[in-house]
Amino acid sequence: ELKVEQNPLFLSMQEGKNYTIYCNYSTTSDRLYWYRQDPGKSLESLFVLLSNGAVKQEGRLMASLDTKARLSTLHITAAVHDLSATYFCAVDIGSARQLTFGSGTQLTVLP
Amino acid sequence: NAGVTQTPKFRVLKTGQSMTLLCAQDMNHEYMYWYRQDPGMGLRLIHYSVGEGTTAKGEVPDGYNVSRLKKQNFLLGLESAAPSQTSVYFCASRSPLGGRGNQPQHFGDGTRLSIL
Repeated sequence: ELKVEQNPLFLSMQEGKNYTIYCNYSTTSDRLYWYRQDPGKSLESLFVLLSNGAVKQEGRLMASLDTKARLSTLHITAAVHDLSATYFCAVDIGSARQLTFGSGTQLTVLP
Repeated sequence: NAGVTQTPKFRVLKTGQSMTLLCAQDMNHEYMYWYRQDPGMGLRLIHYSVGEGTTAKGEVPDGYNVSRLKKQNFLLGLESAAPSQTSVYFCASRSPLGGRGNQPQHFGDGTRLSIL
């Protein structure tokens, strides 16, 4: 059974600081996704990582994938309040490409 | 382009009542999914479908049934609602691997369901 673990689960950080969210998974896969969810809203796709060593960047967020270590990271650079949200990683291994999600990291960026 | 549309958006049921949640997508996707999201947890897969007329169980299928009579629609049914089924339900769709398959799953806005 695939397990996907994120840490930390809760993160408060000050504006301007850097931090990394970690996503570990238990079964070999080279397809990992990061989503953002605002309170009461749907999931918004942030990054699609499809191979070992993949790195994607969008604004203050950068995601990477190490399939050998079964680890993905989401790095936040110089955080701003607008980044406050819950971030999920999800791994895709089934023949029907169903996703297994981590528990999410609730990020709060403080002024 | 509407994407993935879920109806209703909110619903309150009494224990033992039945209802059907509708998911419709206009992207011609083969694969469709139903997830539930509970506080402090990620999404968990209830059922999924890889094409018209096919369905399969996910991680938490008990108490739910599904049907995919048309490619664009995926219905989730609760035959006898229980308080443990109070949750937010999300539908998603995507293409198989290859080509557009590199795109992520597209999610609907969710249905917030309370069972009293």
